[in-house]
Amino acid sequence: DADVTQTPRNRITKTGKRIMLECSQTKGHDRMYWYRQDPGLGLRLIYYSFDVKDINKGEISDGYSVSRQAQAKFSLSLESAIPNQTALYFCATSDLVGTYQGRQFFGPGTRLTVL
Amino acid sequence: AQSVTQLGSHVSVSEGALVLLRCNYSSSVPPYLFWYVQYPNQGLQLLLKYTSAATLVKGINGFEAEFKKSETSFHLTKPSAHMSDAAEYFCAVSYRAQKLVFGQGTRLTINP
Repeated sequence: DADVTQTPRNRITKTGKRIMLECSQTKGHDRMYWYRQDPGLGLRLIYYSFDVKDINKGEISDGYSVSRQAQAKFSLSLESAIPNQTALYFCATSDLVGTYQGRQFFGPGTRLTVL
Repeated sequence: AQSVTQLGSHVSVSEGALVLLRCNYSSSVPPYLFWYVQYPNQGLQLLLKYTSAATLVKGINGFEAEFKKSETSFHLTKPSAHMSDAAEYFCAVSYRAQKLVFGQGTRLTINP
């Protein structure tokens, strides 16, 4: 079974709808992240959480919210979807190696289309 | 603040030729550096990482990267390209416990 899973894998929705993307992990990591990927722009960080009680905005958090329900679960919500939120969304996890950031493990991605 | 720049959004090489993907970082303190690869329709996976040990780092699939502090670079190389290497490659930097900062990615195309 995959260590980091995302649901749904693909979603088409309409402008103004509320959408939730879910991420679950079995790595036992405290740190979880949500990114969006757009062609030519690389990965941009939306939100991240270093533990269940710690949630932080990334570089492009406007229009998004998150919920860390448990160590293993981190959900991303689009309160009112708009077309420019059409993108590929990735969840990732990591842990500390000593006092340093360890490698990140990525989920397979969710392709979201907002019409 | 840390940042990373990947030179060239698209690199094209012939099968069997040298692959060189460039990455320069900005960090006021010793960084950790990573290269990730993304194959079509997949998530990112780690190719290799530099964590202040050996400056020449070997990764999976024959890739390697050399950390050059004087040039603030961490370029990725492979002596002989294979068709299966076609993918997007991301360089990333972190410092201590801070989150990763990714470059904008380089798409590698392999010509037969």
